[in-house]
Amino acid sequence: DVVLTQTPPTLSATIGQSVSISCRSSQSLLHSNGNTYLHWLLQRPGQSPQLLIYLVSRLESGVPNRFSGSGSGTDFTLKISGVEAEDLGVYYCVQGTHAPYTFGAGTKLELK
Amino acid sequence: QVNLQESGPGIVKPSQPLSVTCSVTGYSITTSYYYWNWIRKFPGNKLEWMGYISYDGSIYYNPSLKSRISITRDTSKNQFFLQLNTVTTEDTAVYYCARHSRVPFDYWGQGVMVTVSS
Repeated sequence: DVVLTQTPPTLSATIGQSVSISCRSSQSLLHSNGNTYLHWLLQRPGQSPQLLIYLVSRLESGVPNRFSGSGSGTDFTLKISGVEAEDLGVYYCVQGTHAPYTFGAGTKLELK
Repeated sequence: QVNLQESGPGIVKPSQPLSVTCSVTGYSITTSYYYWNWIRKFPGNKLEWMGYISYDGSIYYNPSLKSRISITRDTSKNQFFLQLNTVTTEDTAVYYCARHSRVPFDYWGQGVMVTVSS
């Protein structure tokens, strides 16, 4: 199975600070059809996970544009440009290029 | 409005089967090109994708669970089901159902906690 390594495991930020989370894959996530099936989820405390970004950089409907995704091949980044209090929780990358789907271990975003 | 809601036993004894239901409202599970997934979250944040049943009834399981898992559906009730056999304490988790299509995992249920304990 594809292993996704997320760093850092914990991130402390102040409101308004910009932060980045890295997700590295054990193999390329470029599918033979040209798509890269790397997505980002956020699980807020007490809630179900929610989709933030799919296909590396496409913002899910209703997600604020302070969230952005980038990367290719095996290296991907989620950036939050100006953390807000509602952004706290655990962020996961997930890949769907190689069956079965696999998730990163998560990055917990806390307030400093 | 699409809504998914899990229901399950809460506690299951070791070696017994675990059964969870996902009831879907606001969207038919037979709508083309949608896949209906089971995902679980273990204590400590690890997520594991377990399998899906598709709009046409085809099924795909995570090979790590293939010998123990079964996913079925009742289209008349717009529900799909997870059964996991011969559970151990390592199957203690929150079980989620989630929808997937061109946009992955765009709707999730609220999750149901299942504890395996004697």
